[in-house]
Amino acid sequence: GAGVSQSPSNKVTEKGKDVELRCDPISGHTALYWYRQSLGQGLEFLIYFQGNSAPDKSGLPSDRFSAERTGGSVSTLTIQRTQQEDSAVYLCASRQGLAGRATGELFFGEGSRLTVL
Amino acid sequence: TQLLEQSPQFLSIQEGENLTVYCNSSSVFSSLQWYRQEPGEGPVLLVTVVTGGEVKKLKRLTFQFGDARKDSSLHITAAQTGDTGLYLCAGSSYNTDKLIFGTGTRLQVFP
Repeated sequence: GAGVSQSPSNKVTEKGKDVELRCDPISGHTALYWYRQSLGQGLEFLIYFQGNSAPDKSGLPSDRFSAERTGGSVSTLTIQRTQQEDSAVYLCASRQGLAGRATGELFFGEGSRLTVL
Repeated sequence: TQLLEQSPQFLSIQEGENLTVYCNSSSVFSSLQWYRQEPGEGPVLLVTVVTGGEVKKLKRLTFQFGDARKDSSLHITAAQTGDTGLYLCAGSSYNTDKLIFGTGTRLQVFP
């Protein structure tokens, strides 16, 4: 597709359930990022991928959060046993990345809004 | 842990006024970007600065990267209602593709 696509756009779930959020980056973009944004605040870094590898997982809030990327393309962010504090907009972005030269433009999807009741 | 603090957090001004947004850190960055985000959308890149002391102009917007590469500023001249949005700085460290975003500055420009 022409841009970064995220699904679902909205997800309402009950506390304790697992959720999966999907990101389809721009074709050919090697670097893929996940961020979390609460109440229109700044973006909280979660994880990024260079190809299928995740060099930095330091932003994942707990072991309930995991992410994978297959085929250098689609990525899935999984949140297990969701808690109310997980409610936020989860943003995915991609860019063409020469490893270690992160000056390129990040292209964002419109986000997945997660509400945990 | 790298942190990027932005100030002010909120800014409400009238059309025609000038404003400056600051982005500060104790860490050194190899490059710094500024993005603008509108409600319901993802952030969109405004500019990238890579050299300490660099100044870039984009129409009424002027961006500066500090000499020590730890801070940056965004100055808007004669603000317009279309400038309304959330402004975010983002920094990258050397030899990594990790991009850290600032705390954000929400700008509201009234007619």
